[in-house]
Amino acid sequence: QKEVEQDPGPLSVPEGAIVSLNCTYSNSAFQYFMWYRQYSRKGPELLMYTYSSGNKEDGRFTAQVDKSSKYISLFIRDSQPSDSATYLCAVIQGAQKLVFGQGTRLTINP
Amino acid sequence: EPEVTQTPSHQVTQMGQEVILRCVPISNHLYFYWYRQILGQKVEFLVSFYNNEISEKSEIFDDQFSVERPDGSNFTLKIRSTKLEDSAMYFCASRSDGHTGELFFGEGSRLTVL
Repeated sequence: QKEVEQDPGPLSVPEGAIVSLNCTYSNSAFQYFMWYRQYSRKGPELLMYTYSSGNKEDGRFTAQVDKSSKYISLFIRDSQPSDSATYLCAVIQGAQKLVFGQGTRLTINP
Repeated sequence: EPEVTQTPSHQVTQMGQEVILRCVPISNHLYFYWYRQILGQKVEFLVSFYNNEISEKSEIFDDQFSVERPDGSNFTLKIRSTKLEDSAMYFCASRSDGHTGELFFGEGSRLTVL
């Protein structure tokens, strides 16, 4: 079983829509959950991270963790064309290693 | 805004050749990493480096690979005797003495092995 699974998409929505991006993970011991954004031909950039269960909000972005179902989500409100990118979920395994999902390619159409 | 810089942006090499990828992490950062991304696949951890030594490495990071911090600013990844399957984007990342998940990535070095 893969440690982190993520639907690669692609996902295409109109500008202004609410976007929901999701990942599942296999190990209940994971405590920290990250969302990175990767623009084409660039390195990943950290958007936000959450610890354990619950929600965390930052502007138009909300990260949510449901540890009971091993499910992590990123919601984008009022989506903009500049949000078009690949979104990667990640967990910390051990002391130093990030394990990434496949990434979901998102396009916001004007 | 401080950033991680990587050189070269793209390198083409023949199979069996040695390659050195260079990175300048953010200046006050203490932890350094290499990740790679084969086209169409996940970003994968290769190695972490702290206090002038490897702190963790993946199964991918075998004797073909080595890392070095030769001075106070550069962090290098050497790949000896490159193979076709080493073709990938290699990302350097660094972080301060804070959250393990808060990595700052460079723009990557694309390696093409022919």
